[in-house]
Order: sequence, then C-alpha cells, then structure tokens
Amino acid sequence: NAGVTQTPKFRVLKTGQSMTLLCAQDMNHEYMYWYRQDPGMGLRLIHYSVGEGTTAKGEVPDGYNVSRLKKQNFLLGLESAAPSQTSVYFCASSYSDSPSQPQHFGDGTRLSIL
Amino acid sequence: GQNIDQPTEMTATEGAIVQINCTYQTSGFNGLFWYQQHAGEAPTFLSYNVLDGLEEKGRFSSFLSRSKGYSYLLLKELQMKDSASYLCALTDSNYQLIWGAGTKLIIKP
Repeated sequence: NAGVTQTPKFRVLKTGQSMTLLCAQDMNHEYMYWYRQDPGMGLRLIHYSVGEGTTAKGEVPDGYNVSRLKKQNFLLGLESAAPSQTSVYFCASSYSDSPSQPQHFGDGTRLSIL
Repeated sequence: GQNIDQPTEMTATEGAIVQINCTYQTSGFNGLFWYQQHAGEAPTFLSYNVLDGLEEKGRFSSFLSRSKGYSYLLLKELQMKDSASYLCALTDSNYQLIWGAGTKLIIKP
C-alpha cells in the first residue's frame, strides 16, 4: 500500500550542481504534481502533468524541468541548483482534475543548496 | 487575484474544541479543501466543501460560506495527536489548488 513514493528523502547540493527528484505512484492516477513548501508560505505548484507524456507549468516553474515518460513516474530536475531552491519538495497525484478529487502526497524531499 | 488567509498559530487544550478559520478572495471557486500536516510529514486530506453549510466527519467538521469567502475547520474532543498544521486550499476556475500558509495547532495537556 505504497501510494506516492519520493526519492531521495534528503539531499544536500552545492550551487550549480544538478539533480533529479523521483516520484512514483501506484494508484493509477492520471494527474501528478510537484510542489515546493517554504516556511510561512503555502504550497506552490512548480509543474504538473495531466497524463503520460504531458507536462505543464505551474506557479513557480523557473529553474526546474519535469518529465512524465511513464504514467506512474514524474521526475523533477534541477539543472543548476541555486540557494533559493532550498526547500521541501512534495509530489502529489490525483485520479482526475475533478475539483472534488483530493490530491495524495508523498513524504517529501528535503533539499538544501549550499 | 487570489488570496487565502489563515491564522499562523493557535493553542488549545486537550479535550477542548477549536475552530480554525480560513478566509479567501478568488475570481473563480470550485470548492475548498482542508488538509492536515504533521511536522515533517505529508499533507493528508481531511475534507472538501463546495456547497454552503457544515460537513461533519467524526471529531472533525468543516463549514463553508461562499458569499462570505469563509470556511472553518472545527475539531472536537482534542487529542494530543491533533497537534499539526492545518492547510486550507481552494480550487480555482482552472481546477488548480491555491494553498494557504497553514495554521499550526498546538495542543496542551
């Protein structure tokens, strides 16, 4: 009963390094999302996907790229990490975009950029 | 534009009742969610309201007034495990979730 799984759980990077965060869901959900959560602010949508092979920009997409090659996986990439990208990153998924459908979240990735 | 306001922090006593308010301004509205988030963990779904009125789910109830741009989450018979942040989020006209900053609820014995 895994739900949404994120790897890694923690990571420390140096400015300019690149990395990929992996999100996997086993609920056969069409929609997947990447958020960042910063102190004193609400969750902010980075990118999202409405199905395999599709991606779209959210509220704060700059500095990030995503891919959805398989329905169950949604990858978030940082090409050249910056200290402003220090945050907790959450992946979420939902069955559809129906307004009443809740999003199911992974446990988060805590990323520090030095 | 869109705006959601929640109190930053609230304190309550074990066994008591607490009401967490959420006010919002939005040009399009397709419902309002409440999520619970324990420190260091993922947000988990609590409730969804799209029509005015009170929805009760065990110890938790959620209320919505669309005309006033107002919702609240009511927690009864508070337990220590209810110590968490409570996130209010509205679904806008594009079916995207707009999140409040959350209310940190501290339960004291």
